[in-house]
Amino acid sequence: GQNIDQPTEMTATEGAIVQINCTYQTSGFNGLFWYQQHAGEAPTFLSYNVLDGLEEKGRFSSFLSRSKGYSYLLLKELQMKDSASYLCAVTDSNYQLIWGAGTKLIIKP
Amino acid sequence: GAVVSQHPSWVICKSGTSVKIECRSLDFQATTMFWYRQFPKQSLMLMATSNEGSKATYEQGVEKDKFLINHASLTLSTLTVTSAHPEDSSFYICSARDTADHEQFFGPGTRLTVL
Repeated sequence: GQNIDQPTEMTATEGAIVQINCTYQTSGFNGLFWYQQHAGEAPTFLSYNVLDGLEEKGRFSSFLSRSKGYSYLLLKELQMKDSASYLCAVTDSNYQLIWGAGTKLIIKP
Repeated sequence: GAVVSQHPSWVICKSGTSVKIECRSLDFQATTMFWYRQFPKQSLMLMATSNEGSKATYEQGVEKDKFLINHASLTLSTLTVTSAHPEDSSFYICSARDTADHEQFFGPGTRLTVL
């Protein structure tokens, strides 16, 4: 079956760095997405990785290792507004998005 | 990035009535649109995949006669919740996939409350 695992909840301090991990087992791979979702809102796109390595975009970076079926989202200089759920999603061989359950990130002052 | 709109953004209806939700891709053509449902504190759950001009493909456990999907054009898909009941109260989100790209662009969601 297809499976995506990410921690249920993480807590971090304002100004710090946090890394949210995602491991996946899917039938085929055509890219991995990270989305941010605030409570009561639709997900918003953060990053897309299809090749191994690190993609940096401002305070957010995303890493992919296809051989390990592993990705992480790195958030630097955390702000209170970063409190949200972070969803990992993988596009399988049929270009269907397979979603992780999401990681709720709590930022404390 | 591409823009997807949903209408209405929220709706309250009485049990037994039907509710239609529209999903539009505003600046691109989408041959495929997806309908998701999300209950509080849970992740997105794919309900169905809608391809323009053909019947929608429903995920296991989703009643196709209750959740009617129409994708009549490359920019519009509709989800009709028929004979809605309180347990249908949820956050319904659509996404659209560009024909030239495989990224999904999300609409803002529709919050349905059935009394």
